[in-house]
Amino acid sequence: EPEVTQTPSHQVTQMGQEVILRCVPISNHLYFYWYRQILGQKVEFLVSFYNNEISEKSEIFDDQFSVERPDGSNFTLKIRSTKLEDSAMYFCASSDSGIYGYTFGSGTRLTVV
Amino acid sequence: QQQVKQSPQSLIVQKGGIPIINCAYENTAFDYFPWYQQFPGKGPALLIAIRPDVSEKKEGRFTISFNKSAKQFSLHIMDSQPGDSATYFCAASRFGNQGGKLIFGQGTELSVKP
Repeated sequence: EPEVTQTPSHQVTQMGQEVILRCVPISNHLYFYWYRQILGQKVEFLVSFYNNEISEKSEIFDDQFSVERPDGSNFTLKIRSTKLEDSAMYFCASSDSGIYGYTFGSGTRLTVV
Repeated sequence: QQQVKQSPQSLIVQKGGIPIINCAYENTAFDYFPWYQQFPGKGPALLIAIRPDVSEKKEGRFTISFNKSAKQFSLHIMDSQPGDSATYFCAASRFGNQGGKLIFGQGTELSVKP
């Protein structure tokens, strides 16, 4: 079964450093998403991406965050200057039809120290 | 108005029992209501979903009941098994939303005892 692949599975970074979280969505999917889950809390929407541009973003997705699809296979989330409160599990998801057919990756656990 | 409220926070049942997880929403524009199952260290996986034109949907041992007037929906797991032990999230979205954003509930940690 096709999978959404995320790397790395765990990243530890110093506060203030830039991090890039990488995702390889399912190959024929057109919609791409990032969500985050702070430990023990609900999954929160960050951003959706379609047709090479952001479709929607949440209040969490401020100027410190950016997304990019640098080639035909990767989808990245960049956090420019990490804060302690950015520590969370970050999930990438892709879909071939918007809200239907979402597939989530296994996540990247980001720890900011 | 964008919130989805989920209860209970945690649930323990014996094998064979029928856990019920409830969700409520406020935004009447929502018209797609999926349930996701999440095992530790994994991403959420779609379990079952419903649109508001039906009051119930069943897939295997999993059933969604939907009450449009009350703006509530619930997940029932028939003949629950220890392998069903996981965190369950309800979610809501608008079908016409180009972005496809899902609004998740707070999650219910289910434990099924042998």
